[in-house]
Amino acid sequence: QSALTQPASGSGSPGQSITISCTGTSSDVGTYNYVSWYQKHPDKAPKVMIYEVSNRPSGVPDRFSGSKSGNTASLTISGLQAEDEADYYCSSYTTSSTVVFGGGTKLTVL
Amino acid sequence: QVQLQESGPGLVKPSGTLSLTCAVSGDSISSLKWWSWVRQPPGRGLEWIGFVFHTGSTSYNPSLKIRVTISVDKSKNQFSLELTSVTAADTAVYYCARADGDPDHFDYWGQGTLVTVSS
Repeated sequence: QSALTQPASGSGSPGQSITISCTGTSSDVGTYNYVSWYQKHPDKAPKVMIYEVSNRPSGVPDRFSGSKSGNTASLTISGLQAEDEADYYCSSYTTSSTVVFGGGTKLTVL
Repeated sequence: QVQLQESGPGLVKPSGTLSLTCAVSGDSISSLKWWSWVRQPPGRGLEWIGFVFHTGSTSYNPSLKIRVTISVDKSKNQFSLELTSVTAADTAVYYCARADGDPDHFDYWGQGTLVTVSS
C-alpha cells in the first residue's frame, strides 16, 4: 500500500485559516468515510483531531474541521494559534482492512 | 481514563527480534476495540504496523507482514509486538494505540518507546 499524499509543509499567521490536503486512491480515501487526522508535537504521542472525515473528538476545538471530496480529504484549521504549530498526519482505512498514513505536513505558525 | 504503556528493550542487534509489550489500563483488552502498533523512524512519518482483536484476529501492514506478529495476553490485559530479522531501518519510536471504529482511527496512544537497532 502506498502512503497517502500530503504537502510536506504549510504555514499561516495567527488568526488565519489553513487547509491541508490528503490524497489517496479508490482503495482507501475514495471508498470509505474513514479518514482521520492526527496532530503530533515533537516527542509527544499523536493526538486524533478528526475521525471519520469530519467528526471531532471531545475536547478538540471547533477550529478544526475535516471534509472529503473523491480521493482527497482536507483538514482546515481556522483562527490559527501558536499552539497549532505541529506535524499533521492523515490516515485512512483501506479496502484490504489495513490502515495507511500520509507522509505528514509540518505546519508553521508565523 | 484509558492508558497504554509500552515496555521492552531499547536496543536490539541486527538480524535479531524486536519485542515490545503494551500494558492497558482503564479498558479491557477483551472490549470491542482493536489494539495497534504504529512506529515513527527518526525524521520520518508515522507508519502503521498492524492491529489485533482479543479473539486473536490480526491485520498487518503488507510491507512488514512476513516479519510481524501481534498477539494479546488477556490474563495480563496487554498485547505484544514481535518484529523479526530487524535492520537499522527498523530503528524508530514505537507506539501502541487503541483503535476504534471499523477500526479506522486511534483514540488512545502510549507515550512511545525508542528502539534502536545496532550492534
